[in-house]
Amino acid sequence: DADVTQTPRNRITKTGKRIMLECSQTKGHDRMYWYRQDPGLGLRLIYYSFDVKDINKGEISDGYSVSRQAQAKFSLSLESAIPNQTALYFCATSDRQDEQFFGPGTRLTVL
Amino acid sequence: AQSVSQHNHHVILSEAASLELGCNYSYGGTVNLFWYVQYPGQHLQLLLKYFSGDPLVKGIKGFEAEFIKSKFSFNLRKPSVQWSDTAEYFCAVNARVNTGFQKLVFGTGTRLLVSP
Repeated sequence: DADVTQTPRNRITKTGKRIMLECSQTKGHDRMYWYRQDPGLGLRLIYYSFDVKDINKGEISDGYSVSRQAQAKFSLSLESAIPNQTALYFCATSDRQDEQFFGPGTRLTVL
Repeated sequence: AQSVSQHNHHVILSEAASLELGCNYSYGGTVNLFWYVQYPGQHLQLLLKYFSGDPLVKGIKGFEAEFIKSKFSFNLRKPSVQWSDTAEYFCAVNARVNTGFQKLVFGTGTRLLVSP
């Protein structure tokens, strides 16, 4: 079984809709992250969390929110989706050595 | 703020050619360095990492990278590429200024195409 799972894997939605992307991990790591990947821009950090009580904004947090429901779960929400949020979204976890382990990604299309 | 530069955005090689992908970072303190690979349609996987010790690190699938502190570089190499190495490669740097967490910063990636 995969250590980091993401649901859904693909999603097409319309402008203005609320979307939630979910991430679960079985690695027992405290640290979790949400990135988006766009062609030519690499991966950019949206939010990260040290533990259940610690949430931090990344470099592109505007338009996004997160919830750390448990050590193993970290959800990303788009309150009102817009077309430029069309991207590939990755969840990741890490231990204190900061080697990150990535989920399979969610391809989101906002029409 | 720390930043990571990957100079080659697209590289095309024939099988058996040698590969070197450049990575430079901007931070003068202690760093952890990573190379990740993303095969078509897949998620990122760790190729190799450097935390300390021998600056020449070996990773999976015959890849290696050399940390040159004076040049702020961590270039990825492979003596002989295969068609299956076709992928996108990301360099990443995590800079430590204290015992707290520092974000992992990714380069923009290099797309490698290996022709049979």
